[in-house]
Amino acid sequence: GQQVMQIPQYQHVQEGEDFTTYCNSSTTLSNIQWYKQRPGGHPVFLIQLVKSGEVKKQKRLTFQFGEAKKNSSLHITATQTTDVGTYFCAGRGFGNEKLTFGTGTRLTIIP
Amino acid sequence: GAVVSQHPSWVICKSGTSVKIECRSLDFQATTMFWYRQFPKQSLMLMATSNEGSKATYEQGVEKDKFLINHASLTLSTLTVTSAHPEDSSFYICSAPGTGNQETQYFGPGTRLLVL
Repeated sequence: GQQVMQIPQYQHVQEGEDFTTYCNSSTTLSNIQWYKQRPGGHPVFLIQLVKSGEVKKQKRLTFQFGEAKKNSSLHITATQTTDVGTYFCAGRGFGNEKLTFGTGTRLTIIP
Repeated sequence: GAVVSQHPSWVICKSGTSVKIECRSLDFQATTMFWYRQFPKQSLMLMATSNEGSKATYEQGVEKDKFLINHASLTLSTLTVTSAHPEDSSFYICSAPGTGNQETQYFGPGTRLLVL
């Protein structure tokens, strides 16, 4: 079945440093979504990427979908304490509704 | 935005009892809802797809008789953990797809189940 891996599993950064998490799927995806889950909370939708090579920005967050539609990345510039949480990518294959969540990257910020 | 609620948020039960978890879409209708399970510091694992008016579709390895799903209306899906055991202790989250091009999944706040 489809597998979605993320690296790194954990990331500790000083406040103000940049952060990147990488997402890799075993199969080609029709689209990919990114979610943020705060400690003790539930996942919150951030964005969806559909097109090959697509890049989208949300303030300090930059999302990219690979040309082969099998990988994606999330980059946060100048991290803030509010960025703390686990970031999950979630890929959807072709012809089905269900999302396969990545293994997640847990971000902690050192003030 | 769309809101999904879950009830209860916490439940502690004795081994062998059954627990029902409700997932409601509050301001939109959902013909499909998804049930996930999340262990501490791990990813979300899809358990089943709940379909309004028909049988749920279970993921491989998920016991249908243990995790009963009912999607009786366009705003309510229930997950019943039957004869719960300590290994069923987990965080159970439901989601419902939004409308439009984003195909957003709106997640409920989750239910933490502890089986003693």
